[in-house]
Order: sequence, then structure tokens, then C-alpha cells
Amino acid sequence: QVQLVQSGAEVKKPGASVKVSCKASGYTFTNYAMHWVRQAPGQRLEWMAWINGDNGNTKYSQKFQARITVTRDTSANTDYMELKNLTSEDTAVYYCARARVGLDSWGQGTLVTVSS
Amino acid sequence: EIVLTQSPGTLSVSPGERVSLSCRASQSVSGTYLAWYQQKSGQAPRLLIYGASKRVTGIADRFSGSGSGTDFTLTIGSLEPEDFAVYFCQQYGNPPLTFGQGTRLEIK
Repeated sequence: QVQLVQSGAEVKKPGASVKVSCKASGYTFTNYAMHWVRQAPGQRLEWMAWINGDNGNTKYSQKFQARITVTRDTSANTDYMELKNLTSEDTAVYYCARARVGLDSWGQGTLVTVSS
Repeated sequence: EIVLTQSPGTLSVSPGERVSLSCRASQSVSGTYLAWYQQKSGQAPRLLIYGASKRVTGIADRFSGSGSGTDFTLTIGSLEPEDFAVYFCQQYGNPPLTFGQGTRLEIK
């Protein structure tokens, strides 16, 4: 079955960077794009980025454009999302989600806490 | 970007009742690319409906979606105890993807 397993919780100081991984299994990795979505406390889900399944092309939300990078390691069936220059407002649960029709499979989420 | 507004924010209902949740878009959603998700506390969202009305394989048939353009509805035919959760709509027809703020179903 399709599984997306994300890396563990992180605690970061303001100004630092975080890199979250998302390892996929149970399907042909390069056949599907992956989205990254976050959920801050009390806020709605927020789309951050998308990476194409086969060619690795990316598209980023304008809000995060300047400080987000999404990459793919097809040999490891793993996507990565790096967010730089963290502030307290980046405290959230970060999800990867496979794009099929809608977002049909999600990782378990990675809590990133930004605190001095 | 398309803003999705869900109503009501919270709905207190009893098991066995039928409920309808609304999702209204600030502009027309292309191709009825509208999805509904269920999220339980501490869990990732789960896709229920895509294309406004297509039920995901394995989702109970008490869940149904309808609508087009700017007005969409998720209906749950007869609430089971496991249905008490938060429900989100999401549009994926017009970049960027956007989500509604959610409707919480709570037990009356």
C-alpha cells in the first residue's frame, strides 16, 4: 500500500533552517507529483510547494518562494523540503502529500517548532 | 488565489443524523477540481471526495459530494461515531492550491 513516511519532529531557533524528508513506498515514485502543505496551530492548511514526479520541476507558493527548496532523490524514493530563515510563525505541522486526484495519500506530518 | 469559505464553523449533531457542509469559492473552480478531506485530531487529512462528487475507493457511501462553480456541498447520510472530525474542502484547479478553514462536527 502507498506509504509516505516523514522525518521526525524538529526544534529550531529563529533564523535557522529545517529540512524535512518524505520517503515514499508502495507505488512508482516518479509517476506522481508531491505537494508540501503545512498546518499552523489554529490555521487552515496552507499549500507551500509542488514537485513534478518525473522531471523534478518545482513550483512554489509566492509566500515561500524566497526561502523554500524542494528536491527529489529518485534513487531513495524520497522528497525533501527545506525552509530557511525560520520565524516563530513557521511553527507548524508540515505534510507531504501525493498528487493524484486531489491529495490522495499523506505523510504522518512533521512538527517543526521555532523557538528561541 | 481562490478563497474557500466553509460553513458552518462547527456543527453539533447526533449520530444517525444527516448533515450537509458547505464550501463556497471566491471565484469559479476550474473543472470542478474540488476535494473534501476528513481530519481527526493528531492525524493527517484523509481524502474523501475528489472532482466535487467522486468518492475515493474505500470511503463509505454515506459520504457524497455535489456542486460546481462556486458552491459545493459535502453530505454525510447518517452519521456514525467515527465521522466526528474536521472536514476541509480544497480546490486544485487554479494554482495555488487552497483550502477552506474547516467545519468541525461534534457530538451533540
